[in-house]
Amino acid sequence: DTGVSQNPRHKITKRGQNVTFRCDPISEHNRLYWYRQTLGQGPEFLTYFQNEAQLEKSRLLSDRFSAERPKGSFSTLEIQRTEQGDSAMYLCASSLAWWGGTDTQYFGPGTRLTVL
Amino acid sequence: DAKTTQPTSMDCAEGRAANLPCNHSTISGNEYVYWYRQIHSQGPQYIIHGLKNNETNEMASLIITEDRKSSTLILPHATLRDTAVYYCIAGNKLVFGAGTILRVKS
Repeated sequence: DTGVSQNPRHKITKRGQNVTFRCDPISEHNRLYWYRQTLGQGPEFLTYFQNEAQLEKSRLLSDRFSAERPKGSFSTLEIQRTEQGDSAMYLCASSLAWWGGTDTQYFGPGTRLTVL
Repeated sequence: DAKTTQPTSMDCAEGRAANLPCNHSTISGNEYVYWYRQIHSQGPQYIIHGLKNNETNEMASLIITEDRKSSTLILPHATLRDTAVYYCIAGNKLVFGAGTILRVKS
């Protein structure tokens, strides 16, 4: 059983460029989460999917951010017109959850984005 | 989701038990207590979770008070590799606070 994988691990881009990150969850996990973490802070929730449906989005997820999980497996997070304030670690997590039960999330290693 | 309070930092001697406290006085009856840790520049690692009963796994033990207003994570024999930020989360949604920086010293 492989863990959650994220690619790329590091991304350096110039302000105004678009970037896309990929997350591959643990096989058969039905939920997939995206978080953002800035230096010295805990991870902050961005959005999550139940299978292919995006069920919740944080107000942190501005209209420049879009996430997809087209076949209920891997997910992509795209940031358009990047800003320096987007520099952060972007974390993906997955879980096998049912309504009313526990939702233990397992995290990937993260993608560190630096916007110059 | 309940707010949690953790000490900012703690030190522990290598080989000794590390006891990390967490207060979650506003926790609801159906909300779990989760513990994660994060080693520098890595993703958070799941440690353990519980609802009412004490729990133990290969990594740690979780002691939850009878009134569920606080809990303690116990690492029975801390090693240098246990140096990390430990997050206590009370709720059915992961809302991370600042956590406790645990430094294990030789």
